[in-house]
Amino acid sequence: DTEVTQTPKHLVMGMTNKKSLKCEQHMGHRAMYWYKQKAKKPPELMFVYSYEKLSINESVPSRFSPECPNSSLLNLHLHALQPEDSALYLCASSAPRGLWDNEQFFGPGTRLTVL
Amino acid sequence: EDQVTQSPEALRLQEGESSSLNCSYTVSGLRGLFWYRQDPGKGPEFLFTLYSAGEEKEKERLKATLTKKESFLHITAPKPEDSATYLCAGKTSYDKVIFGPGTSLSVIP
Repeated sequence: DTEVTQTPKHLVMGMTNKKSLKCEQHMGHRAMYWYKQKAKKPPELMFVYSYEKLSINESVPSRFSPECPNSSLLNLHLHALQPEDSALYLCASSAPRGLWDNEQFFGPGTRLTVL
Repeated sequence: EDQVTQSPEALRLQEGESSSLNCSYTVSGLRGLFWYRQDPGKGPEFLFTLYSAGEEKEKERLKATLTKKESFLHITAPKPEDSATYLCAGKTSYDKVIFGPGTSLSVIP
């Protein structure tokens, strides 16, 4: 298995809703990442988990809450989002040789729309 | 300040017309320069990693090269299926990957 999977593919939520995005990989990677990507812009790093511990939080608002229950799974919990949070949310993973030494493999993304 | 820029912003090529995309970087203690391809609405697809000046890597019609300040992605005899946005990213000495804004490539049959 050489891929990163993300669910759901599309999500529409209201500003008062609570929802979660899920990411899974079975490549034995021990670093996992959340990125946010707006249209025609590059991915922006949100969070990094290394060996299931949060190692980087890029000053992301608390309405985004990451969780790494095990080495294969990464969640992003969403609560009280704003319309400007609408974007493509990408998950990525990389191999354990150093935190960043290897390339990141990306999932297909979740297209989030906040009404 | 660590920064990655790419040019041109957009490029239209006729099928078979070779060209190069540029990635300029100012990244402290570069620990890897990555190239990705991204199709609309999809996640980036990894292409190459380059670590040191003078290094070159090839894959099908693509060849990536690295100098101390720039990286180039050369596309030889492109086909319409090569149309995509090409992203380059640099990894800093303090463990952060910085993406450039991308080059949108269109290959016309």
